[in-house]
Amino acid sequence: SYELTQPPSVSVSPGQTASLTCSGDNLKDKYVSWYQQKSGQSPVMVIFHDKKRPSGTPERFSGSKSGNTATLTISGTQTLDESDFYCLAWDGSTAIFGGGTKLTVL
Amino acid sequence: QVQLRESGPGLVKTSQTLSLICTVSGGSTHSTSYYWTWIRQPAGKGLEWIGRIYTSGSVNYNPSLKGRASISIDRSKNQFSLNLRFVTAADAAMYYCAREELGSDGLDVWGQGTTVTVSS
Repeated sequence: SYELTQPPSVSVSPGQTASLTCSGDNLKDKYVSWYQQKSGQSPVMVIFHDKKRPSGTPERFSGSKSGNTATLTISGTQTLDESDFYCLAWDGSTAIFGGGTKLTVL
Repeated sequence: QVQLRESGPGLVKTSQTLSLICTVSGGSTHSTSYYWTWIRQPAGKGLEWIGRIYTSGSVNYNPSLKGRASISIDRSKNQFSLNLRFVTAADAAMYYCAREELGSDGLDVWGQGTTVTVSS
């Protein structure tokens, strides 16, 4: 079955840039979306179609993809960005989530 | 703006059927622009896509559920539902409903989630 791989954890200092990766076979041919989930809350989509920001997503969030690795970049990371982040891509008609990355801001 | 709200029993016995409803407000399940989706998340773990339904009734399911899931839509009530048969402890999770806009490949609106516990 199709899998998306995310590092379990990433740490960043406030004001610095955080880079969260998501890799998978043939990911270059699939659209990736990203979800932020703060503790005790529902996920929120922050990026779709690899790099598009829904209205309401702060500009410090950006998405990119190179080959089979997608990256969510958070510039000028703030303490309120501390969350779990999940990537999603489609394997045919089945949506697959990555295992998630816990972003720690300290 | 559109809001989704999950409802259903918070406790299900092993081997029985889990049944949840998602009520859509501020939008319509008649719309041809969206899929309506179920996702779950065991406590402390990651997200798992369960399946989705279109207004026509067309459905897609995660093969990992081995045919136990069934999603239906009631456009007259502006609701869609999830039934999961033969539950085990592994099915205990927070269950979310969400909306997917056609062509976006993303889930842009989520409900608050409802917790389901499985007991023997």
